[in-house]
Amino acid sequence: AQSVTQPDIHITVSEGASLELRCNYSYGATPYLFWYVQSPGQGLQLLLKYFSGDTLVQGIKGFEAEFKRSQSSFNLRKPSVHWSDAAEYFCAVGALRAGGFKTIFGAGTRLFVKA
Amino acid sequence: DSGVTQTPKHLITATGQRVTLRCSPRSGDLSVYWYQQSLDQGLQFLIQYYNGEERAKGNILERFSAQQFPDLHSELNLSSLELGDSALYFCASSVAAQGGNYGYTFGSGTRLTVV
Repeated sequence: AQSVTQPDIHITVSEGASLELRCNYSYGATPYLFWYVQSPGQGLQLLLKYFSGDTLVQGIKGFEAEFKRSQSSFNLRKPSVHWSDAAEYFCAVGALRAGGFKTIFGAGTRLFVKA
Repeated sequence: DSGVTQTPKHLITATGQRVTLRCSPRSGDLSVYWYQQSLDQGLQFLIQYYNGEERAKGNILERFSAQQFPDLHSELNLSSLELGDSALYFCASSVAAQGGNYGYTFGSGTRLTVV
């Protein structure tokens, strides 16, 4: 069965600093990998996704993520954080299973941005 | 506005009652997914419908049921409500026939409070 771990419950970075949010997954084959962002009171918004091809994926809002098969990781990065990036970030792994496509979400990492 | 519409936004009801949550998917999306988000359980997949048919089931209680109508809107019915059912309920939709391999578009959720 697939699973996803986000080791950091919360992270605080200064505005303008770089950001890396960690995500580790478990799945026998290459899964579909996603990052979503959830602002307070809102639903989740897809930032980027990966299934195949270039292991460095560009997303919206200046985010990127790198798939590393050897480390079973799909970390999210941003070179310079803005105060508006404060939100909760979810890594997700999806796979075709018997009965359909199932997406499992990590527990989330809450990002705080300080001035 | 993501294009996925959920109503109502907030719902307060008493234990033992029954409620119906409604979701209209993004235009063109045939798949609808329901998720429950709570502090202790995180995002839990409940059920998926594709073009009116149940496609996949997750951790959905027997007291809960859902359906997708010919116009593709979906309803999640929660009955014999318990305090522990208090949570955010999200609907998401996807363009993919097989599932969410392109990622999901989420609605802004329904916050259910059971008192």
